[in-house]
Amino acid sequence: QSVLTQPPSASGTPGQRVTISCSGGSSNIGSNAVNWYQQLPGTAPKLLIYTSDQRPSGVPDRFSGSRSGTSASLAINGLQSEDEADYYCAAWDGSLNGWVFGGGTKLTVL
Amino acid sequence: QAQLQQSGPGLVKPSQTLSLTCAISGDSVSSNSAAWNWIRQSPSRGLEWLGRTYYRSKWYNDYAVSVKSRITINPDTSKNQFSLQLNSVTPEDTAVYYCARTRGHLDLWGRGTLVTVSS
Repeated sequence: QSVLTQPPSASGTPGQRVTISCSGGSSNIGSNAVNWYQQLPGTAPKLLIYTSDQRPSGVPDRFSGSRSGTSASLAINGLQSEDEADYYCAAWDGSLNGWVFGGGTKLTVL
Repeated sequence: QAQLQQSGPGLVKPSQTLSLTCAISGDSVSSNSAAWNWIRQSPSRGLEWLGRTYYRSKWYNDYAVSVKSRITINPDTSKNQFSLQLNSVTPEDTAVYYCARTRGHLDLWGRGTLVTVSS
Protein backbone atom coordinates (compact mmCIF):
# COMPACT_ATOMS: atom_id res chain seq x y z
CA GLN A 1 0.00 0.00 0.00
CA SER A 2 1.41 3.36 -1.05
CA VAL A 3 2.11 6.10 1.50
CA LEU A 4 0.46 8.74 -0.68
CA THR A 5 -3.13 8.18 -1.80
CA GLN A 6 -4.33 8.80 -5.34
CA PRO A 7 -7.52 7.75 -7.12
CA PRO A 8 -6.79 4.71 -9.29
CA SER A 9 -8.43 6.19 -12.35
CA ALA A 10 -9.60 9.40 -13.95
CA SER A 11 -11.05 10.25 -17.33
CA GLY A 12 -12.11 13.12 -19.52
CA THR A 13 -12.88 14.09 -23.07
CA PRO A 14 -10.58 16.13 -25.30
CA GLY A 15 -10.54 19.78 -24.29
CA GLN A 16 -11.82 19.13 -20.77
CA ARG A 17 -10.08 19.95 -17.51
CA VAL A 18 -9.13 17.02 -15.30
CA THR A 19 -7.74 17.06 -11.78
CA ILE A 20 -5.92 14.29 -9.92
CA SER A 21 -5.60 14.39 -6.15
CA CYS A 22 -2.81 13.17 -3.89
CA SER A 23 -3.28 12.85 -0.14
CA GLY A 24 -0.52 12.35 2.39
CA GLY A 25 0.47 13.30 5.91
CA SER A 26 2.38 15.81 7.98
CA SER A 27 5.75 14.12 7.41
CA ASN A 28 5.55 14.20 3.62
CA ILE A 29 3.19 16.56 1.75
CA GLY A 30 2.53 18.52 4.92
CA SER A 31 6.17 19.58 5.19
CA ASN A 32 7.79 18.96 1.80
CA ALA A 33 7.20 19.81 -1.83
CA VAL A 34 5.26 17.51 -4.11
CA ASN A 35 6.42 16.30 -7.49
CA TRP A 36 4.26 14.84 -10.24
CA TYR A 37 5.31 12.33 -12.88
CA GLN A 38 3.80 11.13 -16.13
CA GLN A 39 4.51 7.57 -17.17
CA LEU A 40 3.72 6.27 -20.63
CA PRO A 41 3.61 2.48 -21.15
CA GLY A 42 7.05 0.89 -21.14
CA THR A 43 8.88 4.09 -20.20
CA ALA A 44 10.34 5.64 -17.08
CA PRO A 45 8.41 8.27 -15.14
CA LYS A 46 8.92 11.76 -16.53
CA LEU A 47 8.98 14.80 -14.25
CA LEU A 48 5.91 16.93 -14.90
CA ILE A 49 5.68 19.23 -11.87
CA TYR A 50 8.25 19.91 -9.15
CA THR A 51 8.20 21.91 -5.94
CA SER A 52 4.41 21.49 -6.00
CA ASP A 53 3.72 24.00 -8.78
CA GLN A 54 6.76 24.41 -11.06
CA ARG A 55 7.04 23.01 -14.58
CA PRO A 56 10.34 21.84 -16.08
CA SER A 57 11.15 23.36 -19.44
CA GLY A 58 9.31 21.58 -22.21
CA VAL A 59 6.24 20.69 -20.15
CA PRO A 60 3.15 22.42 -21.58
CA ASP A 61 1.48 25.03 -19.40
CA ARG A 62 -1.70 22.95 -19.63
CA PHE A 63 -0.25 21.08 -16.66
CA SER A 64 -0.34 22.77 -13.26
CA GLY A 65 0.09 21.71 -9.67
CA SER A 66 -0.93 22.94 -6.25
CA ARG A 67 -0.52 21.95 -2.63
CA SER A 68 -2.58 22.70 0.45
CA GLY A 69 -1.94 21.22 3.86
CA THR A 70 -1.37 17.50 3.45
CA SER A 71 -2.88 17.27 -0.02
CA ALA A 72 -1.83 18.17 -3.53
CA SER A 73 -3.42 18.12 -6.93
CA LEU A 74 -2.45 18.01 -10.57
CA ALA A 75 -4.65 19.78 -13.10
CA ILE A 76 -4.62 19.23 -16.83
CA ASN A 77 -6.39 21.84 -18.93
CA GLY A 78 -7.39 21.28 -22.53
CA LEU A 79 -7.04 17.51 -22.30
CA GLN A 80 -5.39 15.88 -25.31
CA SER A 81 -5.25 12.27 -26.43
CA GLU A 82 -1.51 12.14 -25.80
CA ASP A 83 -2.15 12.88 -22.11
CA GLU A 84 -3.43 9.34 -21.67
CA ALA A 85 -0.91 7.90 -19.22
CA ASP A 86 -0.31 6.98 -15.60
CA TYR A 87 0.33 9.88 -13.22
CA TYR A 88 2.19 9.64 -9.90
CA CYS A 89 2.75 12.04 -7.04
CA ALA A 90 5.87 11.89 -4.90
CA ALA A 91 7.27 13.67 -1.87
CA TRP A 92 10.14 13.35 0.57
CA ASP A 93 9.05 11.83 3.86
CA GLY A 94 10.99 13.19 6.82
CA SER A 95 9.89 10.41 9.16
CA LEU A 96 10.76 7.57 6.79
CA ASN A 97 13.83 9.49 5.52
CA GLY A 98 13.05 8.54 1.94
CA TRP A 99 10.94 9.29 -1.09
CA VAL A 100 7.33 8.13 -1.03
CA PHE A 101 4.95 7.76 -3.95
CA GLY A 102 1.27 7.58 -4.70
CA GLY A 103 -0.21 4.42 -6.15
CA GLY A 104 -0.74 6.13 -9.49
CA THR A 105 -3.76 7.35 -11.42
CA LYS A 106 -4.53 5.95 -14.85
CA LEU A 107 -5.88 8.77 -17.01
CA THR A 108 -8.11 7.79 -19.90
CA VAL A 109 -9.00 10.26 -22.65
CA LEU A 110 -12.44 9.24 -23.89
CA GLN B 1 22.05 17.04 -21.00
CA ALA B 2 22.72 14.53 -18.24
CA GLN B 3 21.85 10.89 -18.80
CA LEU B 4 21.75 7.70 -16.75
CA GLN B 5 22.59 4.38 -18.40
CA GLN B 6 21.63 1.23 -16.54
CA SER B 7 23.20 -2.19 -16.95
CA GLY B 8 22.91 -5.58 -15.30
CA PRO B 9 21.29 -9.00 -15.64
CA GLY B 10 17.58 -9.37 -16.17
CA LEU B 11 17.31 -12.75 -14.47
CA VAL B 12 18.43 -13.63 -10.96
CA LYS B 13 17.91 -16.89 -9.09
CA PRO B 14 16.17 -16.93 -5.71
CA SER B 15 18.52 -16.45 -2.73
CA GLN B 16 21.18 -14.87 -4.96
CA THR B 17 22.28 -11.25 -5.26
CA LEU B 18 20.74 -8.74 -7.66
CA SER B 19 23.41 -6.35 -9.00
CA LEU B 20 22.79 -3.32 -11.21
CA THR B 21 24.95 -0.39 -12.27
CA CYS B 22 24.00 3.12 -13.30
CA ALA B 23 26.53 5.05 -15.37
CA ILE B 24 26.28 8.84 -15.22
CA SER B 25 27.04 11.20 -18.09
CA GLY B 26 26.76 14.96 -17.94
CA ASP B 27 26.92 15.07 -14.13
CA SER B 28 29.11 13.73 -11.35
CA VAL B 29 28.41 11.08 -8.75
CA SER B 30 30.55 13.22 -6.41
CA SER B 31 28.43 16.34 -6.87
CA ASN B 32 27.74 18.19 -3.61
CA SER B 33 24.21 19.02 -4.74
CA ALA B 34 22.92 15.74 -6.13
CA ALA B 35 21.89 12.37 -4.74
CA TRP B 36 21.77 9.07 -6.60
CA ASN B 37 18.83 6.78 -6.03
CA TRP B 38 17.48 3.35 -6.82
CA ILE B 39 13.74 2.91 -7.21
CA ARG B 40 11.74 -0.12 -8.30
CA GLN B 41 8.26 -0.59 -9.71
CA SER B 42 6.05 -3.65 -9.68
CA PRO B 43 2.30 -4.18 -10.08
CA SER B 44 1.99 -5.33 -6.46
CA ARG B 45 4.16 -2.69 -4.77
CA GLY B 46 3.91 0.28 -7.15
CA LEU B 47 6.83 2.70 -7.14
CA GLU B 48 9.12 1.97 -4.20
CA TRP B 49 12.19 4.00 -3.29
CA LEU B 50 15.01 1.69 -2.22
CA GLY B 51 17.83 3.99 -1.22
CA ARG B 52 20.38 6.61 -2.20
CA THR B 53 24.01 7.60 -2.00
CA TYR B 54 25.32 11.15 -1.95
CA TYR B 55 28.46 13.15 -1.25
CA ARG B 56 28.58 16.09 1.14
CA SER B 57 32.27 16.28 2.02
CA LYS B 58 31.94 12.56 2.78
CA TRP B 59 29.73 9.77 1.49
CA TYR B 60 26.31 9.06 2.94
CA ASN B 61 23.72 6.35 2.31
CA ASP B 62 20.04 6.11 3.18
CA TYR B 63 18.02 2.94 2.73
CA ALA B 64 14.34 2.07 2.85
CA VAL B 65 13.34 0.14 5.95
CA SER B 66 11.79 -2.58 3.79
CA VAL B 67 15.16 -3.58 2.30
CA LYS B 68 17.67 -2.14 4.78
CA SER B 69 19.07 -5.50 5.84
CA ARG B 70 19.68 -6.62 2.25
CA ILE B 71 20.74 -3.55 0.26
CA THR B 72 24.00 -1.81 -0.56
CA ILE B 73 24.39 1.23 -2.81
CA ASN B 74 27.94 2.17 -3.68
CA PRO B 75 29.41 5.05 -5.65
CA ASP B 76 32.30 4.45 -8.03
CA THR B 77 34.07 7.76 -8.60
CA SER B 78 36.62 6.29 -11.02
CA LYS B 79 33.85 5.32 -13.44
CA ASN B 80 31.33 8.02 -12.46
CA GLN B 81 28.65 5.49 -11.67
CA PHE B 82 26.82 3.92 -8.77
CA SER B 83 25.57 0.44 -8.11
CA LEU B 84 22.82 -1.49 -6.38
CA GLN B 85 23.24 -4.82 -4.66
CA LEU B 86 20.21 -6.56 -3.20
CA ASN B 87 20.95 -9.80 -1.38
CA SER B 88 18.85 -12.90 -0.76
CA VAL B 89 16.29 -12.06 -3.42
CA THR B 90 12.91 -13.75 -3.67
CA PRO B 91 10.27 -13.67 -6.42
CA GLU B 92 8.77 -10.65 -4.61
CA ASP B 93 11.84 -8.67 -5.71
CA THR B 94 10.80 -9.07 -9.35
CA ALA B 95 10.33 -5.53 -10.65
CA VAL B 96 11.54 -2.87 -13.03
CA TYR B 97 14.50 -1.18 -11.34
CA TYR B 98 15.30 2.47 -12.05
CA CYS B 99 18.25 4.61 -11.11
CA ALA B 100 17.42 8.28 -10.64
CA ARG B 101 19.06 11.57 -9.74
CA THR B 102 17.84 13.98 -7.09
CA ARG B 103 18.61 17.67 -7.42
CA GLY B 104 15.98 18.87 -4.99
CA HIS B 105 13.58 16.45 -6.63
CA LEU B 106 13.82 13.22 -8.60
CA ASP B 107 14.44 14.89 -11.92
CA LEU B 108 16.35 12.39 -14.05
CA TRP B 109 15.62 8.69 -14.44
CA GLY B 110 17.30 5.79 -16.18
CA ARG B 111 15.30 3.78 -18.67
CA GLY B 112 14.71 0.93 -16.26
CA THR B 113 15.79 -2.71 -16.07
CA LEU B 114 13.29 -5.51 -15.69
CA VAL B 115 14.73 -7.96 -13.18
CA THR B 116 12.98 -11.28 -12.80
CA VAL B 117 13.73 -13.51 -9.82
CA SER B 118 13.18 -17.09 -10.89
CA SER B 119 14.96 -20.41 -10.88
